[in-house]
Amino acid sequence: EPEVTQTPSHQVTQMGQEVILRCVPISNHLYFYWYRQILGQKVEFLVSFYNNEISEKSEIFDDQFSVERPDGSNFTLKIRSTKLEDSAMYFCASKTDHNSPLHFGNGTRLTVT
Amino acid sequence: GNSVTQMEGPVTLSEEAFLTINCTYTATGYPSLFWYVQYPGEGLQLLLKATKADDKGSNKGFEATYRKETTSFHLEKGSVQVSDSAVYFCALRPILTGGGNKLTFGTGTQLKVEL
Repeated sequence: EPEVTQTPSHQVTQMGQEVILRCVPISNHLYFYWYRQILGQKVEFLVSFYNNEISEKSEIFDDQFSVERPDGSNFTLKIRSTKLEDSAMYFCASKTDHNSPLHFGNGTRLTVT
Repeated sequence: GNSVTQMEGPVTLSEEAFLTINCTYTATGYPSLFWYVQYPGEGLQLLLKATKADDKGSNKGFEATYRKETTSFHLEKGSVQVSDSAVYFCALRPILTGGGNKLTFGTGTQLKVEL
């Protein structure tokens, strides 16, 4: 069964550094999402992406965050200058159409030191 | 705004015990409701869903009924197995048009099943 793949599984970075989290959604999916979960807290919506543009973003998704679908295959989340509070598990998800269920990747654990 | 509240874990049960994980929600209108499961080292997987009041979602022996009057969607299973050990997330999706259509999750409840 096709699946959403995320790399790396664990990323450690220093505060102030840029990080790029990578995701390969399922190939025929059209809607793409990033969520995150800070340890012990809720899974939070960050951003949704459809038709090559952001369709919705949360308050968390400020100017330090950006998303890109550079080549029709990958879907990346960039954090320009990481902060300690960005440490979390980041989940990528995709779906075929508006009402279909979301398929999630295994997540990337980001640790900012 | 929309929110989901789940019972805190971890929940520890013996194999073949009855499982209930409580979930209540706050939302405008009648959202769709979901349970996702995360097995160790894996991503979130859809376990079951219900899209309108009194619907019952079921899968792999798990069930949850959409109760509008109590705004609840409690997850139940009659006889748990060690392989059910995982983190369970309750989530809602509002009835909205457009490309967003985001999910709102609860904090997750860890289930540990022992022999």
